[in-house]
Amino acid sequence: NAGVTQTPKFQVLKTGQSMTLQCAQDMNHEYMSWYRQDPGMGLRLIHYSVGAGITDQGEVPNGYNVSRSTTEDFPLRLLSAAPSQTSVYFCASSYQTSSTHDEQFFGPGTRLTVL
Amino acid sequence: KQEVTQIPAALSVPEGENLVLNCSFTDSAIYNLQWFRQDPGKGLTSLLLIQSSQREQTSGRLNASLDKSSGRSTLYIAASQPGDSATYLCAADFSDSGGGADGLTFGKGTHLIIQP
Repeated sequence: NAGVTQTPKFQVLKTGQSMTLQCAQDMNHEYMSWYRQDPGMGLRLIHYSVGAGITDQGEVPNGYNVSRSTTEDFPLRLLSAAPSQTSVYFCASSYQTSSTHDEQFFGPGTRLTVL
Repeated sequence: KQEVTQIPAALSVPEGENLVLNCSFTDSAIYNLQWFRQDPGKGLTSLLLIQSSQREQTSGRLNASLDKSSGRSTLYIAASQPGDSATYLCAADFSDSGGGADGLTFGKGTHLIIQP
């Protein structure tokens, strides 16, 4: 199993540009999520999904869109990048039911710089 | 607001010492608590997961405990080695988010340095 994979590993954007951060998992997990990590702020939840066709907002969703058309993939879209979105982005997945939340597995991250 | 706090923010100890990292959380209603390791410029490696019904978990030289009533978890590292140097993060999966988001709430981490 490859686990959770993310592409690209590094990206530089100019203000106003758009891009999609890719995330895929091969563990058949229903739950997937996106976090951003900033110095002094820790990791914060951006968006999450409990299954195909279902997405919801996390703590810091502004400026980001997500969709979940398959169980395996959960892309994160920046429609108009801003310097405040310079960060390291992590995708995660886990097995969850209504009463059980299992271990979360994280991808290697995408380092994004917005100039 | 549900929060996770880690103390100390940084710790430096000589090789071979046993050490304890602390994590506190504001709400005892959790699904689980998870400890991660993060090396500089790298991703998060899961170390131990403690489900709400459990008191502790062990993996090699690592032992994590959970006390929901006091809102505390500790990560015990035995016989520390220079290779243990990293940032250690704890994260709580709160089960009652008050209608809020369903995800992990992270502490800001303890930066650990093991001196050779």
